[in-house]
Amino acid sequence: DAGITQSPRYKITETGRQVTLMCHQTWSHSYMFWYRQDLGHGLRLIYYSAAADITDKGEVPDGYVVSRSKTENFPLTLESATRSQTSVYFCASRGGFAETQYFGPGTRLLVL
Amino acid sequence: RKEVEQDPGPFNVPEGATVAFNCTYSNSASQSFFWYRQDCRKEPKLLMSVYSSGNEDGRFTAQLNRASQYISLLIRDSKLSDSATYLCVVNNYSNDYKLSFGAGTTVTVRA
Repeated sequence: DAGITQSPRYKITETGRQVTLMCHQTWSHSYMFWYRQDLGHGLRLIYYSAAADITDKGEVPDGYVVSRSKTENFPLTLESATRSQTSVYFCASRGGFAETQYFGPGTRLLVL
Repeated sequence: RKEVEQDPGPFNVPEGATVAFNCTYSNSASQSFFWYRQDCRKEPKLLMSVYSSGNEDGRFTAQLNRASQYISLLIRDSKLSDSATYLCVVNNYSNDYKLSFGAGTTVTVRA
């Protein structure tokens, strides 16, 4: 039972490059979320999706793009990476009306 | 003002001690409350939900005070393995089930 996985786990890139972070869940959960976590801040929601082909902005969406063509995948793309996007990125999912969110192991991104 | 605020700590306590800490939330319409645990910047994991009447899960006790808009977590008989960051989490249903996270309270249990 893989649950929720993220790839890559670590990424170093340069300013201006496009980067895509992958998230895959095996539970067929309807809701999926992308968060970033920075020191001194709680987890901040970037984007979320209620179902395939339905996405919506969270608290800090600028500079990010998401898509969800399949229920199990929810990739996050940084269109033109900036140093301020250096962070730890967590993907999460939850099923239907359940409240518990299950998190992936995170991707640590460094933008030089 | 942040939607969820926590004392960042750290709370350094010896094994066997009791440690307690609070978090406050700003949205009076918040409906559900949780404590998540996070180890060393790994993924957060649900520790326990917080019910209106208060609830226990082993050595952990959670309380909710809606009038003053805070929740608390108490850990009894602390173990070394309790060392972690505890995230206060609030669900405001009017925000489409989105969760709001506090920045976390760090607890370090020493031998």
